[in-house]
Amino acid sequence: AQSVTQLDSQVPVFEEAPVELRCNYSSSVSVYLFWYVQYPNQGLQLLLKYLSGSTLVESINGFEAEFNKSQTSFHLRKPSVHISDTAEYFCAVSSSGSARQLTFGSGTQLTVLP
Amino acid sequence: DAGVTQSPTHLIKTRGQHVTLRCSPISGHKSVSWYQQVLGQGPQFIFQYYEKEERGRGNFPDRFSARQFPNYSSELNVNALLLGDSALYLCASSHQQGSTYNEQFFGPGTRLTVL
Repeated sequence: AQSVTQLDSQVPVFEEAPVELRCNYSSSVSVYLFWYVQYPNQGLQLLLKYLSGSTLVESINGFEAEFNKSQTSFHLRKPSVHISDTAEYFCAVSSSGSARQLTFGSGTQLTVLP
Repeated sequence: DAGVTQSPTHLIKTRGQHVTLRCSPISGHKSVSWYQQVLGQGPQFIFQYYEKEERGRGNFPDRFSARQFPNYSSELNVNALLLGDSALYLCASSHQQGSTYNEQFFGPGTRLTVL
């Protein structure tokens, strides 16, 4: 069985400040790791993923996440946030042997303040 | 290209009723998964279908059922609705070719309210 813990339910931050959204996972097998973003009244959009290889993965809009196997973490970071980054962010995991069933965390609401 | 589409967008039912939610995957995608997202929580996996066969099932009661049609669209059925079934129901599609990773693309969801 797998589980995901997002340690912060809400993160308020001022525009242009850095942010880190924390995610820890538990699994007895090798995993794939994901961050999804959900804007109000919309479905989920994949932000970035770790499958294998380099432990640091980046998205096209400036977010990055680092897979830390020893700490079973996959924290999401951005050095400078924008108002448009305000959204709900979900960390998710799936086993690498059956990468179709996603297990999600409870989400972190990121609110960027002017 | 059209993304994953779901219908209806919103639905209001009363306790004990039955509901059918529909999903059309991205063209060429043969796998459809269903997730339930209760307000304030992350999505929870309900079912996955591939080539019209159930390939995975989450921890949901038998009141929940689904099927996939020859054109790869899918229906999620919920019987004997409870207040706790109120949620956003998300559909996701993927290629699922072999055992390699296949990205899941999510639809906008159907918001079900049970009164």
